[in-house]
Amino acid sequence: QVQLQESGPGLVKPSETLSLTCTVSGGSIGTYYWSWIRQPPGKGLEWIGYIYYSGSTSYNPSLKSRVTISVDTSKNQFSLKLSSVTAADTAVYYCTKRGYFDVWGRGTLVTVSS
Amino acid sequence: DIVMTQSPDSLAVSLGERATINCKSSQSVLSSSNNNNFLAWFQQKSGQPPKLLIYWASTRESGVPDRFSGSGSGTDFTLTISSLQAEDVAVYYCQQYYNTPYTFGQGTKLEIK
Repeated sequence: QVQLQESGPGLVKPSETLSLTCTVSGGSIGTYYWSWIRQPPGKGLEWIGYIYYSGSTSYNPSLKSRVTISVDTSKNQFSLKLSSVTAADTAVYYCTKRGYFDVWGRGTLVTVSS
Repeated sequence: DIVMTQSPDSLAVSLGERATINCKSSQSVLSSSNNNNFLAWFQQKSGQPPKLLIYWASTRESGVPDRFSGSGSGTDFTLTISSLQAEDVAVYYCQQYYNTPYTFGQGTKLEIK
């Protein structure tokens, strides 16, 4: 049974870069599409983008200029970088599997504040 | 982008009664190549990540109780809970994975009457 775990700083300063990693356990990252999704406090869900194990990516146009998703197959991990963050980027960030998101990490709250 | 619109925004149903949530997409999510609807339903309880209930519009995820069912095709979809249980209190989301950017409905809050 595949499990996902997000990790990274819980506090990021405005204008800096948010960096998170998702570790895949119980299975190989060498299959499926792997996505990042975020949820601002009390609000709905927003898909950020995905990466295939081969390295091909797709990003939400609303964030595309600031987002980079990468994969490290040797570590069974994929990562998110979001640059030039503002308070509007404060959210719980989830990593997920497949196009219909059948497995989710527990999520990690990232707060953007000075 | 495909816009997903759910109705109602909130719903109160008595225990044991049927709950119905609707989802409409701004364009069809039915694939002509495989005749599948690229539509999923999720349940999110307070403080937890969303949980996949239904994919391909009507396929129940393993372990999901059979009181949950999905129906519809093209642009109009429905999630039905046949007999509401106390543990079903949650926010429910529909999501399309037909095109990127993948998009979600705004959510429907389900409560006990």
